[in-house]
Amino acid sequence: GAGVSQTPSNKVTEKGKYVELRCDPISGHTALYWYRQSLGQGPEFLIYFQGTGAADDSGLPNDRFFAVRPEGSVSTLKIQRTERGDSAVYLCASSLTSSGLADNEQFFGPGTRLTVL
Amino acid sequence: QKEVEQNSGPLSVPEGAIASLNCTYSDRGSQSFFWYRQYSGKSPELIMFIYSNGDKEDGRFTAQLNKASQYVSLLIRDSQPSDSATYLCAVISNFGNEKLTFGTGTRLTIIP
Repeated sequence: GAGVSQTPSNKVTEKGKYVELRCDPISGHTALYWYRQSLGQGPEFLIYFQGTGAADDSGLPNDRFFAVRPEGSVSTLKIQRTERGDSAVYLCASSLTSSGLADNEQFFGPGTRLTVL
Repeated sequence: QKEVEQNSGPLSVPEGAIASLNCTYSDRGSQSFFWYRQYSGKSPELIMFIYSNGDKEDGRFTAQLNKASQYVSLLIRDSQPSDSATYLCAVISNFGNEKLTFGTGTRLTIIP
């Protein structure tokens, strides 16, 4: 079956511009996570959704970052007034549920590589 | 102190030998522990998870957890060139909040 998909795969933008990154989770997965990964680092948590609501947005670095999941499926990560420091690979993951089970595997998408010039 | 620490490597191991990857974590209340493999330019994929003290084996992979020492490791037996990748240790601190906290990863190279 289809895995997690993310679009675009690459995005180059100029400093100060607005960008949207899209994530399509695995069908039926209720939990969706956004991480970002800088070169040479592990993924860093940004936000996760259980259904339509943001269960934890403590990883969003500042108010320029916002994410939505209006129908409990597709999610969009929105970055306003982009800065060069926002350049990274943005990873989306989904899991069947967020039930507290230790073996609830998160499946990662291929990522969107964002470059801010 | 970082929440999850790994030796960044690179770690070079001859083909057929045992590769040993180590991870320490700072939150003593952490509940679940994961090892992900990430090939260059690709996304992480889950190799193993463990949440009880002791060893857990799956094929050539063994995860070891010692909560008293806040230490988790991954052993790869009979290392193959295809095992060359970055291995990420990740931790879930609280049941009910499934966000993963990752280490920086250890780059492993298997030498044919």
